[in-house]
Amino acid sequence: DQQVKQNSPSLSVQEGRISILNCDYTNSMFDYFLWYKKYPAEGPTFLISISSIKDKNEDGRFTVFLNKSAKHLSLHIVPSQPGDSAVYFCAASGQGGSEKLVFGKGTKLTVNP
Amino acid sequence: DADVTQTPRNRITKTGKRIMLECSQTKGHDRMYWYRQDPGLGLRLIYYSFDVKDINKGEISDGYSVSRQAQAKFSLSLESAIPNQTALYFCATSVWDSRYANYGYTFGSGTRLTVV
Repeated sequence: DQQVKQNSPSLSVQEGRISILNCDYTNSMFDYFLWYKKYPAEGPTFLISISSIKDKNEDGRFTVFLNKSAKHLSLHIVPSQPGDSAVYFCAASGQGGSEKLVFGKGTKLTVNP
Repeated sequence: DADVTQTPRNRITKTGKRIMLECSQTKGHDRMYWYRQDPGLGLRLIYYSFDVKDINKGEISDGYSVSRQAQAKFSLSLESAIPNQTALYFCATSVWDSRYANYGYTFGSGTRLTVV
């Protein structure tokens, strides 16, 4: 049973526009959520995170929104740049980080010039 | 030099062979992990270790074993490789990060393993 779901395998947007990547989770014990970015031939790199006590966290062009009642989070990238083209993984953990990371399947973002 | 180094980067092996993937880290983190990535399936946890004397199975440990030789080294072994173990393997470390009040993870660049 998949606890972290990214239902869109791919997303294509124009440079300068907003990219919105979505993630749903089923385990109500998750209290920390992360987004990782992965380029080909490289390992995932941390992008941004959010604790369950918040509903928004912003870091430059990247903003993550958390809707706990809907068990849904989203990553907004504004404005999107060609260098943002990568696979984005949503991940979650519980119990203050003592639980292991659970990853979604990933969404491949392509930003077209 | 990378903080988390995986060797080899690529490996092709035959069915039934024993193979070891190695991971070393210079970050001084106690926690280490092995993940597997398959197309369309994201990253799945194989084994993890919270210190040198602690080894735990992840969600897909069957067919794999690990060894934590030192704080800095965590090896993954396939005792008898089979084709459906063809995948991209990632090693990771983690440590508590007070900036986020949670654990921060660092991943290696991965080992692409092909079993023929």
